[in-house]
Amino acid sequence: EAQVTQNPRYLITVTGKKLTVTCSQNMNHEYMSWYRQDPGLGLRQIYYSMNVEVTDKGDVPEGYKVSRKEKRNFPLILESPSPNQTSLYFCASSPRTSGDYEQYFGPGTRLTVT
Amino acid sequence: SQQGEEDPQALSIQEGENATMNCSYKTSINNLQWYRQNSGRGLVHLILIRSNEREKHSGRLRVTLDTSKKSSSLLITASRAADTASYFCATPTGRRALTFGSGTRLQVQP
Repeated sequence: EAQVTQNPRYLITVTGKKLTVTCSQNMNHEYMSWYRQDPGLGLRQIYYSMNVEVTDKGDVPEGYKVSRKEKRNFPLILESPSPNQTSLYFCASSPRTSGDYEQYFGPGTRLTVT
Repeated sequence: SQQGEEDPQALSIQEGENATMNCSYKTSINNLQWYRQNSGRGLVHLILIRSNEREKHSGRLRVTLDTSKKSSSLLITASRAADTASYFCATPTGRRALTFGSGTRLQVQP
């Protein structure tokens, strides 16, 4: 089954404790992206990747890191999480970088930083 | 900044009624997409309409696009309780692929 998976689905952590949210897709998609969703603010893009070893900042990259060492995986790293990073996070993938293609979303990771 | 903005922000209707939501965008586009999100879950692609199309149908969904007014509408006919969700329009923004609006929350009362 074609899908985007994220782990963990729920995470409660404390300020400053490094964490990684994994994202994997099995569709051989070139493009992958991370979004955060906050009430009243919609989806905001954090980072995106057009292919292996090619990543770039989105609208809200501060406090986040990403890597794309393999085509299928695109982990999101929070080196020192803070309470303002409490949010619902989504990973998405698309066949190509072009906006002509639909994006496939993961189920989301709800992160709480205390 | 948001490229697409949906209107209304929230909509409540009775089952069987039609639901219409609108999206306005700022720059020229070659397509516009609509997505649905059930509460707390990932977005699901509904339909893509290209800039040379004025109307597109998919089941109970009808999407229109007016490039002169930089607006699109999504009509859900004969709504069902299962249509309760948030609906987002999304437009291409170059390297970032898509930018999403803030969404319309649709509540369909049984």
